[in-house]
Amino acid sequence: DAGVIQSPRHEVTEMGQEVTLRCKPISGHNSLFWYRQTMMRGLELLIYFNNNVPIDDSGMPEDRFSAKMPNASFSTLKIQPSEPRDSAVYFCASSRTSGNIEQFFGPGTRLTVL
Amino acid sequence: GENVEQHPSTLSVQEGDSAVIKCTYSDSASNYFPWYKQELGKGPQLIIDIRSNVGEKKDQRIAVTLNKTAKHFSLHITETQPEDSAVYFCAASGSGGSNYKLTFGKGTLLTVNP
Repeated sequence: DAGVIQSPRHEVTEMGQEVTLRCKPISGHNSLFWYRQTMMRGLELLIYFNNNVPIDDSGMPEDRFSAKMPNASFSTLKIQPSEPRDSAVYFCASSRTSGNIEQFFGPGTRLTVL
Repeated sequence: GENVEQHPSTLSVQEGDSAVIKCTYSDSASNYFPWYKQELGKGPQLIIDIRSNVGEKKDQRIAVTLNKTAKHFSLHITETQPEDSAVYFCAASGSGGSNYKLTFGKGTLLTVNP
């Protein structure tokens, strides 16, 4: 079975550019999460979707960040404009349902903003 | 919100020895406590979890204990092997309607020396 798929795996961009990260959750999972991982702040939840609807975006750092889930098999996280402090590893995770249950993480996208 | 503290930040053991990682949490209503293992260049992967109605859970060489009164839980790995070397994260779930939300500890880098 394919796990959570993320693309690209690595992204290097210049400050001010738009960045789009992509995620395909595991088929049949109805909950999707975007996380950011940095040395300073650890693993932080950015946004949570349930049945393609954003439920909790309180972790989105600022208006430069936006996320969409147009259907059950695809989600995007967009940063516009990007800044050097956005450099981090971004993970997408999915779970079969919401609540206290295993979250399956993708391999992550390592973003570097110069 | 929930706060999770994890100790130690690094742990080095000899192959065959035991390793113990400890976490504390702040929200007494949290009731789900997973542990994730993250290998270099990969996303976190669930290795074991425990719910608040259970004090201990074991899976082969891995065990987790939970003390709800003291609000702490621990991961125990026995007979460590070099392939156990990774970063380990504890997490605690949110309560009630926020039970999808995992708050992660900062991680423990475990090194098992052959």
